[in-house]
Amino acid sequence: DADVTQTPRNRITKTGKRIMLECSQTKGHDRMYWYRQDPGLGLRLIYYSFDVKDINKGEISDGYSVSRQAQAKFSLSLESAIPNQTALYFCATMSSTDTQYFGPGTRLTVL
Amino acid sequence: AQSVAQPEDQVNVAEGNPLTVKCTYSVSGNPYLFWYVQYPNRGLQFLLKYITGDNLVKGSYGFEAEFNKSQTSFHLKKPSALVSDSALYFCAVRDIHNTDKLIFGTGTRLQVFP
Repeated sequence: DADVTQTPRNRITKTGKRIMLECSQTKGHDRMYWYRQDPGLGLRLIYYSFDVKDINKGEISDGYSVSRQAQAKFSLSLESAIPNQTALYFCATMSSTDTQYFGPGTRLTVL
Repeated sequence: AQSVAQPEDQVNVAEGNPLTVKCTYSVSGNPYLFWYVQYPNRGLQFLLKYITGDNLVKGSYGFEAEFNKSQTSFHLKKPSALVSDSALYFCAVRDIHNTDKLIFGTGTRLQVFP
């Protein structure tokens, strides 16, 4: 987990607030991902990126945006948070052999 | 549509007994299959993967998985469970239409009792 870090680890916010979750990696991987985890639903892909100029939507991108500031940094934003965005959010990288490496997660609660 | 299914939400096993966590897949062609484990308050960790070759794949922490093409399964196994194996386990398959993406199952919680 230390190779992929996420900040903050926990966040409680109110409906309508803008939130940014940050991810940094030292693995040198080009491919980075944002997932959300909900009980009983597994992991669902929000956005993914191959480099700073290549951003792609996942299956549940509505209500989210991302920024790839550098190869090592990939941020997820909720422009106007709503309660059903309460979830555990994971950042991940993918190696050249298709193995994904996950950060420790951010637990987000929207009141 | 491509998918992986983990039919059991929870598996309970006594310490020292063998364990199996089931996964079936629905993918055309030759699948790339993965198992990940999530310990409490941690991110997912890679356990093992099958790409090609020997149907029995060995991974971290004494886990192994058997690829069965005729049954479209990739069950995770361990000969002797430890209490410390208690965690959430995810099966995943690489998306054949977009090989940069993994499709995850819904997860199976393994509880090993002393």
